[in-house]
Amino acid sequence: QQPVQSPQAVILREGEDAVINCSSSKALYSVHWYRQKHGEAPVFLMILLKGGEQKGHDKISASFNEKKQQSSLYLTASQLSYSGTYFCGTEIREDSGYALNFGKGTSLLVTP
Amino acid sequence: NAGVTQTPKFQVLKTGQSMTLQCAQDMNHNSMYWYRQDPGMGLRLIYYSASEGTTDKGEVPNGYNVSRLNKREFSLRLESAAPSQTSVYFCASSETAQETQYFGPGTRLLVL
Repeated sequence: QQPVQSPQAVILREGEDAVINCSSSKALYSVHWYRQKHGEAPVFLMILLKGGEQKGHDKISASFNEKKQQSSLYLTASQLSYSGTYFCGTEIREDSGYALNFGKGTSLLVTP
Repeated sequence: NAGVTQTPKFQVLKTGQSMTLQCAQDMNHNSMYWYRQDPGMGLRLIYYSASEGTTDKGEVPNGYNVSRLNKREFSLRLESAAPSQTSVYFCASSETAQETQYFGPGTRLLVL
């Protein structure tokens, strides 16, 4: 039930864009995105609850394609502070209301 | 408002020893979770408690037990520690599974 994230790692120069994908083999009820800096706890970014929903704040946004059972996180005009590991957490429909399954993470490094 | 607190921050155990990891939240959340994080494996759910008085197994429950002592506290016990349980353990809480999870700072456990 663990979602699959791609790519596993990406290196960007400041100002470049990146897309991180999260795919599930089961129908999803919601998708959550978190970022973790080295040595720290994961921090919430956003939740997408409805198929077709798109959300964003600052220059980080996400979409949820319910039919394809996948979500994508978009980072535009990346900043050094975006570096970290990004995790998607999925709530599968048949277990709705209980717990999330997290992917293995995507390591993002933004260089000057 | 401390959020989610975990004790201890670091622990070294010998194989076969037992210990309890403590977690408390002051946000009046219904749901609480225990994860372990190993390099390249992401966050894996050990146990969760959807509400006070209930606990359920997650993806990797073997070798662990939990107690939801009250609405605030959720402890994780290792009865007989093994080197394979060397990991970083995170506790988290949320109002419901569909809402933001707030993570504690983590406990770094080394089993020799």
